[in-house]
Amino acid sequence: QITLKESGPTLVKPTQTLTLTCTFSGFSLSTYGVGVGWIRQPPGKALEWLAVIYWDDDNRYSPSLKRRLTITKDISKNEVVLTMTNMAPADTATYYCTLVRSAHDDYWGQGTLVTVSS
Amino acid sequence: EIVMTQSPATLSVSPGERATLSCRASQSVSSNLAWYQQKPGQAPRLLIYGASTRASDIPARFSGSGSGTEFTLTISSLQSEDFAVYYCQHYTDWLWTFGQGTKVDIK
Repeated sequence: QITLKESGPTLVKPTQTLTLTCTFSGFSLSTYGVGVGWIRQPPGKALEWLAVIYWDDDNRYSPSLKRRLTITKDISKNEVVLTMTNMAPADTATYYCTLVRSAHDDYWGQGTLVTVSS
Repeated sequence: EIVMTQSPATLSVSPGERATLSCRASQSVSSNLAWYQQKPGQAPRLLIYGASTRASDIPARFSGSGSGTEFTLTISSLQSEDFAVYYCQHYTDWLWTFGQGTKVDIK
């Protein structure tokens, strides 16, 4: 059974750095072709893809957020960590992690709401 | 960067009627196009991938068509559980791009 779960702070202050962890089970991030991605959704707004990291450490970022994002993985812990610097109120959103493997995969975490406010 | 544009923003439909949702890509995405359904408080659910292939356990009333830059999601006979927001998504190995969504609500 494949599961993913996001964790991290629910509230961050403007200019702070956000660190989110995706803890997963049921698959290995050392398997060829497997990746874990992050997507966010501001309240009442559309989905926005952020980043993905693959089994071979290849990582890709949203062009518009690339300078603020870092994605890493810890195979031993089955974790993927996303950091986003210089948080602003516009970054308030539900952040999801998802399995990236094949087009027909559909595995998402439950999402975690992060509010940016002083 | 490819931009996905969905129309209409809101579609009001009566139960049992057909709903047709559109998605346009700013440049060709071949058939690398998916459709998701999202209900309040839930993660998105994959409906269609490869532009026209239904995902596992998706009812046959959902169908996708198109290629290149023009895509359509059709719900043949809307059920009460189908009222939700629908997103199209272009995907490659390293970049996903979502449309802004179409909300299907009850007429």
